[in-house]
Amino acid sequence: DAGITQSPRHKVTETGTPVTLRCHQTENHRYMYWYRQDPGHGLRLIHYSYGVKDTDKGEVSDGYSVSRSKTEDFLLTLESATSSQTSVYFCAIRADRAPGELFFGEGSRLTVL
Amino acid sequence: KNQVEQSPQSLIILEGKNCTLQCNYTVSPFSNLRWYKQDTGRGPVSLTIMTFSENTKSNGRYTATLDADTKQSSLHITASQLSDSASYICVVSSVRDDKIIFGKGTRLHILP
Repeated sequence: DAGITQSPRHKVTETGTPVTLRCHQTENHRYMYWYRQDPGHGLRLIHYSYGVKDTDKGEVSDGYSVSRSKTEDFLLTLESATSSQTSVYFCAIRADRAPGELFFGEGSRLTVL
Repeated sequence: KNQVEQSPQSLIILEGKNCTLQCNYTVSPFSNLRWYKQDTGRGPVSLTIMTFSENTKSNGRYTATLDADTKQSSLHITASQLSDSASYICVVSSVRDDKIIFGKGTRLHILP
């Protein structure tokens, strides 16, 4: 158990509403990541963080923002959800010690109607 | 361009048989390569992680190989079990800018 939890695990919302997904770790690792997984695309990086208040964009960051005010929590926000953001979202943490193993959460399934 | 290509996209085999999944990458400079197993509805779980100097690593019935010269890796599953039905994802990390590149995965179905 890598000590990483995501919430909520399932959410159904309507177009235009804000949504926040939470990732919580108990391992105190620096690096945290948010990915989305869609059929035919595999896992795609949305945003990542390399420390408190230090974040950067991934390949599919449009429409998403993140915040990391504490080492243990990494929040992903959809300011105004769209149907194209229906997906399964995975949080991951990377072990600080080389070679930097990645550990994933169980995923958050988001449906935007 | 850094890419990770996996083949086949999907594979169906009978329980008890062996199979091999392939991963080709163009990531440079190479740092490490990992294989993950993802059960339906779950997050990916690491099977093996291999660095440049390692060319074979085993984890139970799973054996990963790495040829850093040809930039190819394989995951061999011996005596498959129904619980091996899952997606297997190849992930390669680059030393430069610390990028992590994912393959799209191979979907493996084990039939009784």
